[in-house]
Amino acid sequence: NAGVTQTPKFQVLKTGQSMTLQCAQDMNHNSMYWYRQDPGMGLRLIYYSASEGTTDKGEVPNGYNVSRLNKREFSLRLESAAPSQTSVYFCASSDVAPKVTFGSGTRLTVV
Amino acid sequence: DQQVKQNSPSLSVQEGRISILNCDYTNSMFDYFLWYKKYPAEGPTFLISISSIKDKNEDGRFTVFLNKSAKHLSLHIVPSQPGDSAVYFCAASSNTGNQFYFGTGTSLTVIP
Repeated sequence: NAGVTQTPKFQVLKTGQSMTLQCAQDMNHNSMYWYRQDPGMGLRLIYYSASEGTTDKGEVPNGYNVSRLNKREFSLRLESAAPSQTSVYFCASSDVAPKVTFGSGTRLTVV
Repeated sequence: DQQVKQNSPSLSVQEGRISILNCDYTNSMFDYFLWYKKYPAEGPTFLISISSIKDKNEDGRFTVFLNKSAKHLSLHIVPSQPGDSAVYFCAASSNTGNQFYFGTGTSLTVIP
């Protein structure tokens, strides 16, 4: 029972580089989310997708794009990474709101 | 502005005693509240929840209390165990359920 799987687990980028964080869930959940966790800031919602084919901005969407590829997969793209995007990124999913199941996180460092 | 606040960054408690973690919120539209537990290098895991129609919810050693008039909730852990040492986040959502607002977390240490 994999739940929510995120890849990669760790990544170091140079300023200006781009990358895509991948997320897949096997629980047949409708909603998926991307959060970032920063010291002293808690978990902040970047983007969410209430269902396949829809995406919406959360609290901190600037500098990110998302794609809900299908019901299982929700990717987060950084087009031009900045040091301020150094963070731990969590993907999550939910079916019967509002309980959310999280992945194990991606630790991203932008130098 | 932070809509969900956990004003205590850390808490230490002796094994067997009660742990009380507090959370305040500002948005009166929130009607569902959750607590998550997070170990290092892992994602948060769901612990317990409460809807605004209740003022208390229990699950084993964990009890969540909600005071709507004060916009305050608390998590009680009794008795506390060393395995409870983790960061605890409270979260809130409105009835649409599509956005969850998290607090900054409280790091609990249970001392054997």
